[in-house]
Amino acid sequence: QQQVKQSPQSLIVQKGGISIINCAYENTAFDYFPWYQQFPGKGPALLIAIRPDVSEKKEGRFTISFNKSAKQFSLHIMDSQPGDSATYFCAASGHTGGFKTIFGAGTRLFVKA
Amino acid sequence: NAGVTQTPKFRVLKTGQSMTLLCAQDMNHEYMYWYRQDPGMGLRLIHYSVGEGTTAKGEVPDGYNVSRLKKQNFLLGLESAAPSQTSVYFCASSHHASGSSTGELFFGEGSRLTVL
Repeated sequence: QQQVKQSPQSLIVQKGGISIINCAYENTAFDYFPWYQQFPGKGPALLIAIRPDVSEKKEGRFTISFNKSAKQFSLHIMDSQPGDSATYFCAASGHTGGFKTIFGAGTRLFVKA
Repeated sequence: NAGVTQTPKFRVLKTGQSMTLLCAQDMNHEYMYWYRQDPGMGLRLIHYSVGEGTTAKGEVPDGYNVSRLKKQNFLLGLESAAPSQTSVYFCASSHHASGSSTGELFFGEGSRLTVL
C-alpha cells in the first residue's frame, strides 16, 4: 500500500527549463509535506517543505504547490541547472504514530547542459 | 559537526549470517529511524524510536530488530540475513518539541549491504 505516489520516475530537462515533479497522498492525517534531495552516494537532505495551511511555498528557484482538496502537491524547479541533477523524494508525515515520514518512490532528475 | 554517523558503510554477508548496523547522532534528537532504499521503491521505514528505550515497527520490519539503549544510538540488527535484504540502509534522526514540530529528518550517508 503506497501512501505517497510520486511521478515521474525519471525526468530529463534542458538547462534553464522548468522541472515539475508530482505527488499524491492518501492519509488526511498528514500535516507536513517535505521534499528531499539526494545526490549519488549521499543521504537525502531536506530541500523545502510545506504545511497544508498554505497553497504555495517558494524558496529561491524551488516552489511547492499544494492542493489540499485534491491531496496533491508538486515541486517546481525554475531555471533548472546541471547541479540540480539528483534524485528527489516527496514525503508526508503527521503528528500521529511517532511522526513517521512516508516517502514517495523518487524521481531521478537529469538537467542537460 | 558529525550529525548522523552510520557504521559500517559497506558490508558483504552470506545468507544466514548476522550483523548489526550502528547509527549515532550528536544533535540530541529524540526520534530516530531506520530506512532502506531500493531502486524504484523510494525509502521505506523499517523501525523507528521516539525516545531512549523505545522502538516501534515501520512499514517493512520483518527480518530486522532494533535497540535504543542510549539516546544517541540506534542499532539495526539482521539475525539471519537473506538476499532480499540487499539494500542501502539509511539512519535518520529528528527533533520534535511539543507543539512545534519541524519534522525535518537528518540522514546519515548510508550503509550498503550485500547478502550473497
